[in-house]
Amino acid sequence: EAGVTQSPTHLIKTRGQQVTLRCSPISGHTSVYWYQQALGLGLQFLLWYDEGEERNRGNFPPRFSGRQFPNYSSELNVNALELEDSALYLCASSFGTGAIDIQYFGAGTRLSVL
Amino acid sequence: AQKVTQAQTEISVVEKEDVTLDCVYETRDTTYYLFWYKQPPSGELVFLIRRNSFDEQNEISGRYSWNFQKSTSSFNFTITASQVVDSAVYFCALSEASGAGSYQLTFGKGTKLSVIP
Repeated sequence: EAGVTQSPTHLIKTRGQQVTLRCSPISGHTSVYWYQQALGLGLQFLLWYDEGEERNRGNFPPRFSGRQFPNYSSELNVNALELEDSALYLCASSFGTGAIDIQYFGAGTRLSVL
Repeated sequence: AQKVTQAQTEISVVEKEDVTLDCVYETRDTTYYLFWYKQPPSGELVFLIRRNSFDEQNEISGRYSWNFQKSTSSFNFTITASQVVDSAVYFCALSEASGAGSYQLTFGKGTKLSVIP
């Protein structure tokens, strides 16, 4: 069974550009989470989607947005890129939506903003 | 607010040594879940264990063991007879059942473990 897949694996952008990252959850999982792992800042929660709806977002500006499609895959969009957006963006999926549910992670997309 | 502290930023051990990774958490919930993940150089976080707040039994899985103590709000992870393949960054994480954080995981900053052959 395939795990969480993310694309692309690497991206290089310049300041002010826009980027879209993609995530396919494990089959049967309806919840998708996005995390940012920036150097020195650890893993920070970005967004949570479940059944096509945004359920919660972390402390990030509105230029970070996303959506979840009917097949439960998800996109993360970042507009007006800034240098500090350089990070590893990790997507996770879970079968349920409770605190007990295990989040399974993909290998991430490494974004470099020049 | 929930918080997870991993005070050890980096640890180096020689192969076959035992090593313990510390994790201290803060939460106001009485029901919560604690997790450990491993992040090898490839970047993918690999789930290792989940423990609920009502189960303080220690757990052993092969060379891995976990010691959960509510009295000290700690959930420490021990690797026995470490191997080079154990080299990775290890994260401790917490989720609260009340949903105050909408079940998101709050991670510690991670401990980078280097096992030297």
